[in-house]
Amino acid sequence: GNSVTQMEGPVTLSEEAFLTINCTYTATGYPSLFWYVQYPGEGLQLLLKATKADDKGSNKGFEATYRKETTSFHLEKGSVQVSDSAVYFCALADRGSTLGRLYFGRGTQLTVWP
Amino acid sequence: DAGVIQSPRHEVTEMGQEVTLRCKPISGHDYLFWYRQTMMRGLELLIYFNNNVPIDDSGMPEDRFSAKMPNASFSTLKIQPSEPRDSAVYFCASSFTGQGVTEAFFGQGTRLTVV
Repeated sequence: GNSVTQMEGPVTLSEEAFLTINCTYTATGYPSLFWYVQYPGEGLQLLLKATKADDKGSNKGFEATYRKETTSFHLEKGSVQVSDSAVYFCALADRGSTLGRLYFGRGTQLTVWP
Repeated sequence: DAGVIQSPRHEVTEMGQEVTLRCKPISGHDYLFWYRQTMMRGLELLIYFNNNVPIDDSGMPEDRFSAKMPNASFSTLKIQPSEPRDSAVYFCASSFTGQGVTEAFFGQGTRLTVV
């Protein structure tokens, strides 16, 4: 079946530190992969996506590369800011019988201190 | 488009009362999802619809929960009777699969408190 595993939080960093949040997946087909971000009191927003192997999604300084060989989609940012404090969710969407449905990881809380 | 619109944003109700949460998806989207988020259980998919038809309701916790989508622009999630353990943030999301990439757009959520 389809599932997503992401690193347990919380993650606490100082401003300008390097960020990595690990995400691995299991899928029956050839999924699209996503990172969503949830700021306090808000709904989830799409941060970036990749639809096929070796694609790199990027947005707001965040990047993630679709690695089929390691079934991974790790989120990275070279220099985090206080405003990046949020919960980050990795997700996949398959193209098979479950087309339309997103499978989410449990989320990773990131706190950035000034 | 104004995005996915949920109402109310906050709901406080007494145990045993009926609660109805509402959602207006983005126009043209063919999938609609209801999620529940709690600290203990994280983000849970309750039910989702395709072209107004329920596809998978296996995440609905029990018979007290029901969801309908009478047309493409409106959906409700009803809890009757409500219990304190139903307190959570409920999100509605919609997506369009016309090009196969199922990016979902979320509403702001309804924070439900059952006392």
